[in-house]
Amino acid sequence: NAGVTQTPKFRILKIGQSMTLQCTQDMNHNYMYWYRQDPGMGLKLIYYSVGAGITDKGEVPNGYNVSRSTTEDFPLRLELAAPSQTSVYFCASSHRAGASTDTQYFGPGTRLTVL
Amino acid sequence: QKEVEQNSGPLSVPEGAIASLNCTYSDRGSQSFFWYRQYSGKSPELIMFIYSNGDKEDGRFTAQLNKASQYVSLLIRDSQPSDSATYLCAVVTGANNLFFGTGTRLTVIP
Repeated sequence: NAGVTQTPKFRILKIGQSMTLQCTQDMNHNYMYWYRQDPGMGLKLIYYSVGAGITDKGEVPNGYNVSRSTTEDFPLRLELAAPSQTSVYFCASSHRAGASTDTQYFGPGTRLTVL
Repeated sequence: QKEVEQNSGPLSVPEGAIASLNCTYSDRGSQSFFWYRQYSGKSPELIMFIYSNGDKEDGRFTAQLNKASQYVSLLIRDSQPSDSATYLCAVVTGANNLFFGTGTRLTVIP
């Protein structure tokens, strides 16, 4: 299993540009998540999905959009890039079989710079 | 008040010593607690989770949970230079999502 994969690894955007960060998992996990991590900070949840066709906002959703058309893929869309969106973006997935404990598996991250 | 608070460090310990990492949380209803390790430039990886009061041991790592004090800690015995990383505490909230602390940077000095 490749686990959670993310593309691209690095990207530089100009203010106002748009892009999609790709995330794919091959573990057949129901739940998927997008986080951002600013330098020296913890991870903040942007959006999450509990299954195909279902998404919900996390702690910091403004400026982002997501979709979940398949179990495997959970792309994150930035429509009008702003310098405040310069960050490292991590995608994660988990099984969530109803137990109270659950492990999230993280992708390698996408380092985004908006200039 | 932040959901999860950690001392950002850096915490420096000599090789072979015990490293003690601490975390407090604000949601008294939280049930599940996780410790992740993150090497510089890498993604977080799970070390262990705990959901019952008391201690849970896994190799050189021991997680300790005190729900009454809203406190969770991670002890690393016989610290090695390879343990040098940022340790993230994460707590499952009522919405069943993880809230992460800002992390404690640990340096193990050979």
